[in-house]
Amino acid sequence: AQKVTQAQTEISVVEKEDVTLDCVYETRDTTYYLFWYKQPPSGELVFLIRRNSFDEQNEISGRYSWNFQKSTSSFNFTITASQVVDSAVYFCALSDSVDSNYQLIWGAGTKLIIKP
Amino acid sequence: DTEVTQTPKHLVMGMTNKKSLKCEQHMGHRAMYWYKQKAKKPPELMFVYSYEKLSINESVPSRFSPECPNSSLLNLHLHALQPEDSALYLCASSHLAGGSYEQYFGPGTRLTVT
Repeated sequence: AQKVTQAQTEISVVEKEDVTLDCVYETRDTTYYLFWYKQPPSGELVFLIRRNSFDEQNEISGRYSWNFQKSTSSFNFTITASQVVDSAVYFCALSDSVDSNYQLIWGAGTKLIIKP
Repeated sequence: DTEVTQTPKHLVMGMTNKKSLKCEQHMGHRAMYWYKQKAKKPPELMFVYSYEKLSINESVPSRFSPECPNSSLLNLHLHALQPEDSALYLCASSHLAGGSYEQYFGPGTRLTVT
């Protein structure tokens, strides 16, 4: 069965520190997709990235970077030089091709607090 | 323009009331979704519409009734709700239904049932 584990319930850092959010997934399928979403206190879920299982290249977007490692079934998210506006709950999610219900399998989320 | 709008932002209703939540997207997406999210939990899928037809109903109680009048609009009709239905209701859309497509979410409606 598919599963997404975000073991860090809450992380608190001081502004400008780097922070990594962990995501470990389980799937028996060879074709799957991984996602990260950000949910600030306002409630809207903001799409950050999608990665398919055949593309293990790491991605960098400004201060955000993602490390996808199939060998460890991990898709970790790093924020460099964190800012207060990065404070939010971050969700990692998985979708694979055997899931005909189009349902995203969500991790429990990691609450990130950036202190000024 | 990756925007999904939802109205109202907040809704308080009694258990005997009938109300509707509205969602709109103008991205040309052909799949739309309703999710329910309780505090400190990830979203739970309720319904999926694909090409304006209901394709997924995740065993949602009949007091929630979805409607897709056209490809841009999605409604959720509420009737005889229970206090435990209080939650954030999120609408989302994607290019097509299917796990490979990222979903874009609206700001949500915070529903309180009294």
